[in-house]
Amino acid sequence: LAKTTQPISMDSYEGQEVNITCSHNNIATNDYITWYQQFPSQGPRFIIQGYKTKVTNEVASLFIPADRKSSTLSLPRVSLSDTAVYYCLVGDRWSYSGAGSYQLTFGKGTKLSVIP
Amino acid sequence: DSGVTQTPKHLITATGQRVTLRCSPRSGDLSVYWYQQSLDQGLQFLIQYYNGEERAKGNILERFSAQQFPDLHSELNLSSLELGDSALYFCASSFRQDNNSPLHFGNGTRLTVT
Repeated sequence: LAKTTQPISMDSYEGQEVNITCSHNNIATNDYITWYQQFPSQGPRFIIQGYKTKVTNEVASLFIPADRKSSTLSLPRVSLSDTAVYYCLVGDRWSYSGAGSYQLTFGKGTKLSVIP
Repeated sequence: DSGVTQTPKHLITATGQRVTLRCSPRSGDLSVYWYQQSLDQGLQFLIQYYNGEERAKGNILERFSAQQFPDLHSELNLSSLELGDSALYFCASSFRQDNNSPLHFGNGTRLTVT
């Protein structure tokens, strides 16, 4: 299981660039890195996915170094509406939880608060 | 809009009752997942179906059951409801069943048990 570690919370002012880093030291060769955003009382929303180097879309950029042991989600010029919880997931999301059941683990994510 | 539709959006019922939550996956997606999220809690995985068959199970209570129909929509049945079952229930879908396939979530059903 590729365990991920990310900060519990971050604060940023409006208009700044925000970088959220996720550590995944035991990432497997076939694993992709996927980020989700969740607003209160809404389902998580897929933001971006990457395997190596840099991926960019209309919402964010994802930077992945050559060793792939970490990744950084970059949100350009955040606004108040970017206040949300951001989850980093790596490939093998499954973890055995005993008695034949498996957990598709999301972790606790990073709570980003954007300040006016 | 993720393309995943969940109904109803809100449900209020009494303890001991039974409810059914419905999910229509994104067009073309074959895999459906159910999650439970209580207030200020993380997303707890309940169960996954792929093309009509159960693929994985989390810590789903025996009072809960689910199925995926031939048209790929899914239903989550919750019975003998307890106060602690009050939560947001999310459905997600993906095209493939492998671990790298991105999940697309609906906006959830908020269940309140009184």
